[in-house]
Amino acid sequence: GDSVTQMEGPVTLSEEAFLTINCTYTATGYPSLFWYVQYPGEGLQLLLKATKADDKGSNKGFEATYRKETTSFHLEKGSVQVSDSAVYFCALRRRDDKIIFGKGTRLHILP
Amino acid sequence: EAGVVQSPRYKIIEKKQPVAFWCNPISGHNTLYWYRQNLGQGPELLIRYENEEAVDDSQLPKDRFSAERLKGVDSTLKIQPAELGDSAVYLCASSSPRVYEQYFGPGTRLTVT
Repeated sequence: GDSVTQMEGPVTLSEEAFLTINCTYTATGYPSLFWYVQYPGEGLQLLLKATKADDKGSNKGFEATYRKETTSFHLEKGSVQVSDSAVYFCALRRRDDKIIFGKGTRLHILP
Repeated sequence: EAGVVQSPRYKIIEKKQPVAFWCNPISGHNTLYWYRQNLGQGPELLIRYENEEAVDDSQLPKDRFSAERLKGVDSTLKIQPAELGDSAVYLCASSSPRVYEQYFGPGTRLTVT
């Protein structure tokens, strides 16, 4: 069945470090891909999305590129801030509109 | 624009007791979702409504879980009786056909003792 695999956390970085959170997926067809972020005590928020191969989603300095050949959608940010500390979820949306989430990666940014 | 509202935010009950969660979606969003998020996991869909109709309830444990969305607006998810394994965060989300993005509420954290 369809699934999303993302790197296990927690990931701990110093402020201004470069961030990569790996995400790969298994799906039939060509799903849309998403990164959601969950700040402490809050619901999930859509961070960025890509709907077809080679699309790049970007928001708040974060980027991810839909790579069909490697079935990946890795999240990157050039310089992280303490306020980026949260749990990040990679997800895919199937053609029937069902969203499949990864297990989440907790990110800690140290000042 | 107000976001998705859920209540209560936290609930602690003893096993075998009933519990209910309430969700009010964003105004104009005709699609409503209930998810369960276990500790250290991503959310998993329990049920999806299009207006009043449950169009996908394949993952809802129907022996103890029930949901309703009588007027196609707010929704209630019920568990009766609760089991220890039901401890989780229950998330509600909504979307509209025009926007397609799902907007999530803050969730209800349920602890069954």
